[in-house]
Amino acid sequence: DAKTTQPTSMDCAEGRAANLPCNHSTISGNEYVYWYRQIHSQGPQYIIHGLKNNETNEMASLIITEDRKSSTLILPHATLRDTAVYYCIVSGSSGTYKYIFGTGTRLKVLA
Amino acid sequence: GEEVAQTPKHLVRGEGQKAKLYCAPIKGHSYVFWYQQVLKNEFKFLISFQNENVFDETGMPKERFSAKCLPNSPCSLEIQATKLEDSAVYFCASSHTTGTANLAKNIQYFGAGTRLSVL
Repeated sequence: DAKTTQPTSMDCAEGRAANLPCNHSTISGNEYVYWYRQIHSQGPQYIIHGLKNNETNEMASLIITEDRKSSTLILPHATLRDTAVYYCIVSGSSGTYKYIFGTGTRLKVLA
Repeated sequence: GEEVAQTPKHLVRGEGQKAKLYCAPIKGHSYVFWYQQVLKNEFKFLISFQNENVFDETGMPKERFSAKCLPNSPCSLEIQATKLEDSAVYFCASSHTTGTANLAKNIQYFGAGTRLSVL
């Protein structure tokens, strides 16, 4: 079973911030949160990851709650090219590094 | 190379035929992962390697599927006697691990996938 739950779909107006939530209430102390996106049927593209602190890179920001049970990916100024399925993944437990994908959030950016 | 290279992009097989997929990981990455994506969203982990050694094969079907990562060769995923239900996109990812045994970071970089159609 996936360790994360995300809304099935979201819409966002072009130029506005897209805030994509993820629940990972069973996350353990040695697991990171990773975000990926898949555009059409291309390979998943890495966006950002975090452990405890909020993170920002050139693509997005990641806000992780203090209890680490949920996080939000923020695309500050969404463009049409950001239309994709976004996956939140927790991984890092000892013994395996496999990713367990949930169903993701289908983000549609509207012109 | 700087990206994970998967070949072929598309593969069409009749039921019962063999299918072999290849993956060249990013240079310097010691882990390779195979995932199967059926329909549009559902990913399933199949197997992972640490260098040439099987690291985790808990997702690998017991029959018909095999995989290898040999030195100086692309990794491969082989399906003997394909079935209709094997139709999917197969993604390979590679990574290296940083951190400690108790807190390991493992960012996986994915290839473009191989679309297998079994007719």
